Amino acid sequence: DAGVIQSPRHEVTEMGQEVTLRCKLISGHNSLFWYRQTMMRGLELLIYFNNNVPIDDSGMPEDRFSAKMPNASFSTLKIQPSEPRDSAVYFCASSGERFSTDTQYFGPGTRLTVL
Amino acid sequence: GESVGLHLPTLSVQEGDNSIINCAYSNSASDYFIWYKQESGKGPQFIIDIRSNMDKRQGQRVTVLLNKTVKHLSLQIAATQPGDSAVYFCAERSGGYNKLIFGAGTRLAVHP
Repeated sequence: DAGVIQSPRHEVTEMGQEVTLRCKLISGHNSLFWYRQTMMRGLELLIYFNNNVPIDDSGMPEDRFSAKMPNASFSTLKIQPSEPRDSAVYFCASSGERFSTDTQYFGPGTRLTVL
Repeated sequence: GESVGLHLPTLSVQEGDNSIINCAYSNSASDYFIWYKQESGKGPQFIIDIRSNMDKRQGQRVTVLLNKTVKHLSLQIAATQPGDSAVYFCAERSGGYNKLIFGAGTRLAVHP
């Protein structure tokens, strides 16, 4: 039973480059959350999708960040252009009304380093 | 307890002892609470949850207690094992949807 899948697991890039992080939801789930984790700020919600529609993007830092759900099981988080302060671990989590649960299940994360 | 910045509060226990991790939440309107465990290099893993109409909920070796009067949540781990060493986060839901606000976390260190 596959959980949330994220790729890549590690990404090292140079300032100014475009970064794309990917997430595959648990089958049957219809809610998707992107989080960012840093030592200073802890776990922060960036954006929430329900049924492929962005519901709350108030946590997205600035216009350099964008997220999409091209289909019900897949999402991308893009940073363009990237900056050193974007270095963090990025998690996606999914949850599903179908299973009558509010529990968010997290992926393994992508560790992003921007040089 | 909660903390901000680089230094997480650490709870050190001996293997076999019981552990109690505390969390103060901020919103009296929060209706759902979750404890997550995060091991090094991994994503947060669901441990146990509790709704605001309950005071206590038990799982396997874990118990969550909710005191709404003082807005306090605790996680009790019985017979703590080395595999329990991790950072533990509490989270509260207070928005109109399943938006979780996470605490800063507590590091649990289990010593043989």
